[in-house]
Order: sequence, then C-alpha cells, then structure tokens
Amino acid sequence: GAVVSQHPSRVICKSGTSVKIECRSLDFQATTMFWYRQFPKQSLMLMATSNEGSKATYEQGVEKDKFLINHASLTLSTLTVTSAHPEDSSFYICSARGEPEQYFGPGTRLTVT
Amino acid sequence: QKEVEQNSGPLSVPEGAIASLNCTYSDRGSQSFFWYRQYSGKSPELIMSIYSNGDKEDGRFTAQLNKASQYVSLLIRDSQPSDSATYLCAVNMRYNFNKFYFGSGTKLNVKP
Repeated sequence: GAVVSQHPSRVICKSGTSVKIECRSLDFQATTMFWYRQFPKQSLMLMATSNEGSKATYEQGVEKDKFLINHASLTLSTLTVTSAHPEDSSFYICSARGEPEQYFGPGTRLTVT
Repeated sequence: QKEVEQNSGPLSVPEGAIASLNCTYSDRGSQSFFWYRQYSGKSPELIMSIYSNGDKEDGRFTAQLNKASQYVSLLIRDSQPSDSATYLCAVNMRYNFNKFYFGSGTKLNVKP
C-alpha cells in the first residue's frame, strides 16, 4: 500500500525559533501534497496544497510567510514553521495524493515553549 | 451549507452490532468519496473509497453511495471495541479536483 512518512514525529522548540517538518511518499510519486493542522478534539484543518515545482496554495487565514512550504520533488514536501509561538503548538499532518486517493503521514506533534 | 456534513456523534453501539455512519455532500457532480478512520492522537487512515452508486464491501466494512440523494454511508458489521474511533468522510468535488473536502467526523464508541 501507499506509505507516507513524516519526520520528526514530535518536536519541542522555543518560542521564536523555526521548525522544519518533512513529508515523504515512500512508494509512489505524489504530484500533490497537503498540509493539515489539528488541534485537540477538533477537526482537520487544511493549511495548504502543494504541487511539485510550483508555489503552494494556502487556505484563507493561513499566513504563507509563517508557514513556508516547499515541494521540491515528487516524493518530498517540507513545512517550515517560522518564528514559532506557543499558539502554533498543534498536530501537523501531511498527506500525499496517489491517484485517486489521499494517504496521510503519521503526523508531527509540535510543542512551542 | 458545508461542503461535507456528518453527525458528530458520539454514536454508541454494542459489540457485535452494525454501526451506520452517514455523510452528505453539497456538490452533485462529485465523483470520488472516501472514508477515513482516525484514532485519538493519530493521523487518519484510509479504509474505503467508492466511486459508483451502490455498495462496496471490504471485509466488515461496506460503503454505500447514492449520488442522486448526495449521501455516502459506511456500515461496520460485527463492531469491535477496536473500531472505536472518529470516522471522517471525504469528497473530491468536481469544481476543485485537487482538493479533498472533509466532514468534521463522527465519533464511534463500541461498548464491550
């Protein structure tokens, strides 16, 4: 089956620092990857859609300068949370589109102190 | 109106019973429909996809699609406590094929 990995699985950082999260499709090429955020007991919230070789499309209300997305290849997308603050603490989940379905990575739990 | 709607639950069923989860969607032209299971603290896992009207069975799971009524459902037969999770319905809409629209999820509790 289609496997998506995400690294790191858990990260703690200090306020004001930046954190990079990697998302890889291991056994298929993904022209489209998605980044979601989920707060405890809340629904998935789509942050952005990224296509290989082009700029990401951000959802309304998501700051593109704060959440930098790079889809460098058909198997790798990265999300960088810049100048992180405690309110950015959340569960970040990537997914990759393997036609026609979407497969999720295991998620990254970010805690900003 | 939200693009995809689900009853948030919780839906409680006894072990061994059939759990029925429902989802409605707004775009009549939608073609692809998915059910994901999400355990607490984990990411969603794809359990079923359906593209044509009717039923699709996979083990204890049956997905049902009715495009005329714009609903998709998931039946879980012989429910087990391990099925306790939040079930997310996702739809690939015709007007934005590159995006998956998720419902808010239905929490299922299977009581031993």
